[in-house]
Amino acid sequence: GAVVSQHPSRVICKSGTSVKIECRSLDFQATTMFWYRQFPKKSLMLMATSNEGSKATYEQGVEKDKFLINHASLTLSTLTVTSAHPEDSSFYICSVQAGFWDGYTFGSGTRLTVV
Amino acid sequence: GIQVEQSPPDLILQEGANSTLRCNFSDSVNNLQWFHQNPWGQLINLFYIPSGTKQNGRLSATTVATERYSLLYISSSQTTDSGVYFCAVDGSRLTFGEGTQLTVNP
Repeated sequence: GAVVSQHPSRVICKSGTSVKIECRSLDFQATTMFWYRQFPKKSLMLMATSNEGSKATYEQGVEKDKFLINHASLTLSTLTVTSAHPEDSSFYICSVQAGFWDGYTFGSGTRLTVV
Repeated sequence: GIQVEQSPPDLILQEGANSTLRCNFSDSVNNLQWFHQNPWGQLINLFYIPSGTKQNGRLSATTVATERYSLLYISSSQTTDSGVYFCAVDGSRLTFGEGTQLTVNP
């Protein structure tokens, strides 16, 4: 499968500030990347599909203006949490799928804490 | 969308015991994966198994696509097997079950 790198692994920020999370596909040119959110003791929920060179596709209920996604190259997608609030604290994780019949590979995740 | 149900939600074992985790899904899927999420949050792919049986060391998995379920077998469990095991199915998007929290005690 693909190799995915995600940074930072952990970030603490103040309410009202913005935080950028990077997801890199190291050995595969990914036209599509996926962003998930996980609350403590809960499952992963797909937030959005990042599309290289075009707008991201957001899942129902996900605020586009709150969670900005940019996929400017075939190896990098970024998720920016804008004007963060404590309720945005969560574990965010990205993934890629190397091919339609291949499995998904996940980054190591980013634990965001907004204080 | 596709519904994914995992059982049991929690499982506590003594080291050396065997276990079976189950994943039921509500519709036909393109693929199915089993993941282990370690205490640091990393999702480790265990099996990509849309159908059939696969084995990797002490772990094996079987998916019966026509009956819409998959089983993950863990034999001779070790404390390092502790964590959450997720089943995820790919219909139009990857959908996760709620997971099985496994605790293996020494």
